[in-house]
Amino acid sequence: EAGVAQSPRYKIIEKRQSVAFWCNPISGHATLYWYQQILGQGPKLLIQFQNNGVVDDSQLPKDRFSAERLKGVDSTLKIQPAKLEDSAVYLCASSSIRASSYEQYFGPGTRLTVT
Amino acid sequence: AQRVTQPEKLLSVFKGAPVELKCNYSYSGSPELFWYVQYSRQRLQLLLRHISRESIKGFTADLNKGETSFHLKKPFAQEEDSAMYYCALGGTSYGKLTFGQGTILTVHP
Repeated sequence: EAGVAQSPRYKIIEKRQSVAFWCNPISGHATLYWYQQILGQGPKLLIQFQNNGVVDDSQLPKDRFSAERLKGVDSTLKIQPAKLEDSAVYLCASSSIRASSYEQYFGPGTRLTVT
Repeated sequence: AQRVTQPEKLLSVFKGAPVELKCNYSYSGSPELFWYVQYSRQRLQLLLRHISRESIKGFTADLNKGETSFHLKKPFAQEEDSAMYYCALGGTSYGKLTFGQGTILTVHP
């Protein structure tokens, strides 16, 4: 099966600019996750979708971050406006509700640098 | 609150030596623990989960609720084991994982 796809792979922006990341999960996976991984730290969950509904967004900085999963397939994560501390790798993952949902399949990530 | 602690950022061993990557957790409920691994230039992937009680690539991990630990062990390390290893805790939100900071394992020839 094809893996989780993410784009772009790299992005450099200036602070206060906007940026958007795209994720295409594994076909048939109902659950989609966005993680933020700051250098030297483990991934931190930002938001979790079940189909097109939000299950958990408790750690999403909602004043600047937004995410959507229209039609329960692809998802977009947006940052507006970006801050220096948003520099990180943004990981998308998906899982099937038919199997253990803790087995998450990760994409390659998008490395964001905010200058 | 859930927390996962991996006390070693870096761990170096020689090929053939035993290796143990430490993981401690804090969780008030019944924990589900996992080890994820990221090899160089590859994606993060599941290595093993405690409920399976299986050995993957020679690695095992035992959940010790008394010590709140889930250390990853391998009796004879191989060079191809060099990677970043993350311990992760399953939480109250279905499918939600809390990751530790990771340990970079380097196995020298």
